[in-house]
Amino acid sequence: AQSVAQPEDQVNVAEGNPLTVKCTYSVSGNPYLFWYVQYPNRGLQFLLKYITGDNLVKGSYGFEAEFNKSQTSFHLKKPSALVSDSALYFCAVRSPGTYKYIFGTGTRLKVLA
Amino acid sequence: GAGVSQTPSNKVTEKGKYVELRCDPISGHTALYWYRQSLGQGPEFLIYFQGTGAADDSGLPNDRFFAVRPEGSVSTLKIQRTERGDSAVYLCASSLKAVAGDYEQYFGPGTRLTVT
Repeated sequence: AQSVAQPEDQVNVAEGNPLTVKCTYSVSGNPYLFWYVQYPNRGLQFLLKYITGDNLVKGSYGFEAEFNKSQTSFHLKKPSALVSDSALYFCAVRSPGTYKYIFGTGTRLKVLA
Repeated sequence: GAGVSQTPSNKVTEKGKYVELRCDPISGHTALYWYRQSLGQGPEFLIYFQGTGAADDSGLPNDRFFAVRPEGSVSTLKIQRTERGDSAVYLCASSLKAVAGDYEQYFGPGTRLTVT
């Protein structure tokens, strides 16, 4: 069965510092992996995806994520956090050949000025 | 251009009543998804449409839930005999046909359903 784990309910980071939001997954076959962000009173927005190819993927707003097959992880990163990055972040996975997306429970990122 | 829209934005209903939630996807998007998001949880997959047909309805919790997309555009999620446990935010998302590379989903703002 597919599953996604986001082990941290909340991550606090100072503005200007690097940030990491963790995600691990369990899926049969090669996974399709995604990050979405949810700002208050706004819908979920796509950040980035890994389908195949380079393990380091770059997305919107300066975010990037690294696919690590051996550790079954897809951590979200940004070199320098902004206060405006404060939001709820969701990792999602989908197995090839299926259309069902499994989302994690979300990690609240708080960037402190 | 216009994004995914959902109506109503809020719906309060009494236990046992029937409700319909509407989703208008982005024009040209043939793939449409319904999710349910409870407080403190991530979106939970309910059903996926490719065109007019439900390609995967494995996430519908029971036979009180049903969804249609008769013309391959607008979709309606229907819940019969609502229960208090059905209270949640119901999200709709659309995407281009799910071929290689076209997997980004665009989400609507959701319908907050409260069953009293």
